[in-house]
Amino acid sequence: ETGVTQTPRHLVMGMTNKKSLKCEQHLGHNAMYWYKQSAKKPLELMFVYSLEERVENNSVPSRFSPECPNSSHLFLHLHTLQPEDSALYLCASSRGGLFLYNEQFFGPGTRLTVL
Amino acid sequence: ELKVEQNPLFLSMQEGKNYTIYCNYSTTSDRLYWYRQDPGKSLESLFVLLSNGAVKQEGRLMASLDTKARLSTLHITAAVHDLSATYFCAVDIWKVSGGGADGLTFGKGTHLIIQP
Repeated sequence: ETGVTQTPRHLVMGMTNKKSLKCEQHLGHNAMYWYKQSAKKPLELMFVYSLEERVENNSVPSRFSPECPNSSHLFLHLHTLQPEDSALYLCASSRGGLFLYNEQFFGPGTRLTVL
Repeated sequence: ELKVEQNPLFLSMQEGKNYTIYCNYSTTSDRLYWYRQDPGKSLESLFVLLSNGAVKQEGRLMASLDTKARLSTLHITAAVHDLSATYFCAVDIWKVSGGGADGLTFGKGTHLIIQP
């Protein structure tokens, strides 16, 4: 595997379900991110992790719960979602640290549909 | 609050023509990124622009940055159908806190269709 991978690629869930999205980066990066992309809004930053510590939570509802067990893996735990949470969820990684710039590399995304 | 505006949001053009996409941002920053997204696919990094006057070119695409005007442009030369995609610009502000990691603020994207 190379780059940033995400599983599953597609997910359909009911509002009472609990599910998790998984992201893995194979780039040796120190920072990982969750973004939400929906049809009506620009890409929205959700969470930022640097060296496994959350450094930013962009006012995301508590029904989204991130987890970063190590610098290569990032999860997004979902529970009691609403239909308006249906979107493409993108994971990204970057070198982080005091690197000169913050070029982020994105995974293929998980297309989530909440019924 | 950092805001990023792109225009146009939709562009249909013919092969062989030239055109420019504009990206304005609201806060002083010297780090600007261009991404490409094909339908149903993820974002692919195209350019990273780090200083005033920076210019980068890859094939038929050329990006530039004017930090004083808070403006970046993505110029397409002699467009070909394969360049049809949605193009995003994004900006961030370097900060020491947070371990140097920072989310990008994206524009809404320019949906580009190039017709034969």
